Amino acid sequence: KAGVTQTPRYLIKTRGQQVTLSCSPISGHRSVSWYQQTPGQGLQFLFEYFSETQRNKGNFPGRFSGRQFSNSRSEMNVSTLELGDSALYLCASSPGGADTQYFGPGTRLTVL
Amino acid sequence: GENVEQHPSTLSVQEGDSAVIKCTYSDSASNYFPWYKQELGKGPQLIIDIRSNVGEKKDQRIAVTLNKTAKHFSLHITETQPEDSAVYFCAAPSSGGSYIPTFGRGTSLIVHP
Repeated sequence: KAGVTQTPRYLIKTRGQQVTLSCSPISGHRSVSWYQQTPGQGLQFLFEYFSETQRNKGNFPGRFSGRQFSNSRSEMNVSTLELGDSALYLCASSPGGADTQYFGPGTRLTVL
Repeated sequence: GENVEQHPSTLSVQEGDSAVIKCTYSDSASNYFPWYKQELGKGPQLIIDIRSNVGEKKDQRIAVTLNKTAKHFSLHITETQPEDSAVYFCAAPSSGGSYIPTFGRGTSLIVHP
């Protein structure tokens, strides 16, 4: 099976812009979770989608949003970018949301 | 919610030595503990996991032990090789109905040839 794919792999934006990141889960997986990884804060959970519904949400401001499509592909959007949003954004999928998560390679976002 | 502490933050060993990374957790109801390896430029990859109904699990040179009473679990890598150099993360379930992992801060393992 193909693994989790994320596009784009690298992105450079300026403050105030918005950005959309995409994630395609492993075939048959219905749960997609998003994480932000930074040297200072480590791996932090953003939100989880299951069957097109947001099922869990982490402690991030409303500028961070996401959605999931009927084919389980997911997008996350960050509006009004801030310098502190520079990070590696990771997507992970799992069959039903429980237990093992399989991560994609991430999207490296740099905000200038 | 769950609190996961991971130690050490950096571990340097010689090729062939063993490496041990330890994590503690706070929620006694936690029942699933995965370990991930993250190489430079890649996402975390699951290397081994353990459930609360067993005390130890082994997969070739990698093993994980779990002490539910003390609320800690450890990753053991024997006969380390340079390709084992990476950042290793432990995780435990956050509280709540759905499984959302709380990750440790990571251990940078350096294996010197």
